[in-house]
Amino acid sequence: EPEVTQTPSHQVTQMGQEVILRCVPISNHLYFYWYRQILGQKVEFLVSFYNNEISEKSEIFDDQFSVERPDGSNFTLKIRSTKLEDSAMYFCASRGPGQGSWENIQYFGAGTRLSVL
Amino acid sequence: EDQVTQSPEALRLQEGESSSLNCSYTVSGLRGLFWYRQDPGKGPEFLFTLYSAGEEKEKERLKATLTKKESFLHITAPKPEDSATYLCAVQAGGATNKLIFGTGTLLAVQP
Repeated sequence: EPEVTQTPSHQVTQMGQEVILRCVPISNHLYFYWYRQILGQKVEFLVSFYNNEISEKSEIFDDQFSVERPDGSNFTLKIRSTKLEDSAMYFCASRGPGQGSWENIQYFGAGTRLSVL
Repeated sequence: EDQVTQSPEALRLQEGESSSLNCSYTVSGLRGLFWYRQDPGKGPEFLFTLYSAGEEKEKERLKATLTKKESFLHITAPKPEDSATYLCAVQAGGATNKLIFGTGTLLAVQP
């Protein structure tokens, strides 16, 4: 069964360092998302990406964050200068190409746990 | 403001003891309501999507229903392997694609 793959599963970094979280969405999907979940809190939307550009972003997604689809398979989230409060689980999700009901489902990866020290 | 509230926060059941989880929502023009299951340290796993009031979906011991203000996830004769956090999320109308999640219900089924 196709799945969204995220690497690494756990990333430890020092405050102020740059990190890149990687995702391989399901192969025929065209809509890509990043969400995060701080320990004990809700899953929160960060950004959506379609047709090589950001289609929507939340207030959390400030200038420290960027996304990129560097090739036909990867989708990345970069945090330029990490802060302690960036520590969270980051989930990548992808969605099918059409607008039909079965293609409107977002499928999530297992997540990357980011620990900022 | 679009909002999702789930109750109870936690639920402990004996194996075979049926119950329901609630998801209340306030959203401008509901495009879809989604139920996901989340195991510890894992990503949300899709269970159901509902689009209009009166709709019902079923899978094994789970049944999801939708009204204009809330959704229920009914669990019939649960087993220990049903233990997980169940997340409800909504997608508002318009151009947005984002999901707005509730805080989830942590379900523990004891043998």
